[in-house]
Amino acid sequence: RKEVEQDPGPFNVPEGATVAFNCTYSNSASQSFFWYRQDCRKEPKLLMSVYSSGNEDGRFTAQLNRASQYISLLIRDSKLSDSATYLCVVNLRSGGYNKLIFGAGTRLAVHP
Amino acid sequence: EAGVTQSPTHLIKTRGQQATLRCSPISGHTSVYWYQQALGLGLQFLLWYDEGEERNRGNFPPRFSGRQFPNYSSELNVNALELEDSALYLCASSLALRQTPNSNQPQHFGDGTRLSIL
Repeated sequence: RKEVEQDPGPFNVPEGATVAFNCTYSNSASQSFFWYRQDCRKEPKLLMSVYSSGNEDGRFTAQLNRASQYISLLIRDSKLSDSATYLCVVNLRSGGYNKLIFGAGTRLAVHP
Repeated sequence: EAGVTQSPTHLIKTRGQQATLRCSPISGHTSVYWYQQALGLGLQFLLWYDEGEERNRGNFPPRFSGRQFPNYSSELNVNALELEDSALYLCASSLALRQTPNSNQPQHFGDGTRLSIL
């Protein structure tokens, strides 16, 4: 079983739609969580951290469920510019050190 | 503020050759991470340097090696190149481990070096 699993998509949605991505992680010792965005053939960029209480940044809402080892990202009012791959990232603290584990990403395509 | 810079942007090699990739972290960042992103695959963790020391290593053969210099820039060396080493190699930086003991510090990525093996 992969340490971080995501639905690869693609999710094809019209502008203005609401879309949700899910991510599960296997190691209960995982300590912190992030969503990154990666445009085609570009480097990943931090979208938002994910906090236990859930957090929102404009049209983006992230949720964490530690009991189910599950993270989600909700995008409201999708824009064409939201088209990208969204990477779920888990920070596992092991032996006193950090290790970031990336999911393979979920592709989102927003169409007019 | 300058971001993470990587060089070269593109590198073309043949099987059996050696490749050296370079990374300069954001000013003030002393942790440097290397990742491999092969076509169609997710990011695979390669190496992590923190304040000059190798802290962690991913599941890659020993021909993948690196080092971090006193100015915290870093090199990734790949020896005896194989066709499957063709990938985008990304470098990321963050604050030092001792500055972020709760490990909530996200990483900032460079644009990557695209390595092609012919």
